[in-house]
Amino acid sequence: GQNIDQPTEMTATEGAIVQINCTYQTSGFNGLFWYQQHAGEAPTFLSYNVLDGLEEKGRFSSFLSRSKGYSYLLLKELQMKDSASYLCAVRDRDQAGTALIFGKGTTLSVSS
Amino acid sequence: DTGVSQDPRHKITKRGQNVTFRCDPISEHNRLYWYRQTLGQGPEFLTYFQNEAQLEKSRLLSDRFSAERPKGSFSTLEIQRTEQGDSAMYLCASSTFPGLAGDQQFFGPGTRLTVL
Repeated sequence: GQNIDQPTEMTATEGAIVQINCTYQTSGFNGLFWYQQHAGEAPTFLSYNVLDGLEEKGRFSSFLSRSKGYSYLLLKELQMKDSASYLCAVRDRDQAGTALIFGKGTTLSVSS
Repeated sequence: DTGVSQDPRHKITKRGQNVTFRCDPISEHNRLYWYRQTLGQGPEFLTYFQNEAQLEKSRLLSDRFSAERPKGSFSTLEIQRTEQGDSAMYLCASSTFPGLAGDQQFFGPGTRLTVL
C-alpha cells in the first residue's frame, strides 16, 4: 500500500525560509511531485523529482531521497501570496499506474 | 485554449439524483484524469483515460460512478443515486504523453458537488 505523511500546518513570516517535509511508502515508486493549492482553487504544479537530489526552480526547491522515502519542498524569501496548501504526491506504478497519490497537504500561513 | 475547463463549477442536488460533470482538457493532451477532493484532504484518484480508453480505475470507485471519453477529447463523470458522502470537489486533470518530465498533470478548477 501507500502512505504519504506531511505536517498538517506550518507558519512562517515574510522573507523567511520554510521547509515542508514529506515521507512516503510505495512499492513501485515512479516520481514525486509538489503542488500548490490556494483555497478554493485547483492544484498547480511546482516541482518533480524522480532521481535523488535537489531540483531548484527560482524561490522553490525540492529534494528527494528514494532510499529514505523522503522529500522536502524549500520555499525561500517567503511572500504573503505563498500562503496556501502544499501537496506532496507520488506516482506508484503498483497502485494507480500513472495517476498521482496525494498526501493530505500542508497548510502554510505566511504573516507579515 | 488556456487550460483545463470543467462544467458546472457548482452543483447542488438531492440525495438519490443523478449528476453529470464535464471536463475539457488542454487540446493536445491525450491523458485525462478524474480526482475527488474533500475538505482537508488531498485529491484522491478516481479514474484515468489515455485517448478514449479508460486504463485505470480506483479500487475504491463505487459502481455508481461512471466515466467516459468517447472521442478522446472531453470527458464526462456521472454519479448515479447520489449520496451525501459524494459531496466533494471533483477535479479533472490532463497531461500529454510523451511530454513534460514526469507526465506533469494540469488541473482544472473543479466542480463542487453538494448532496443534500
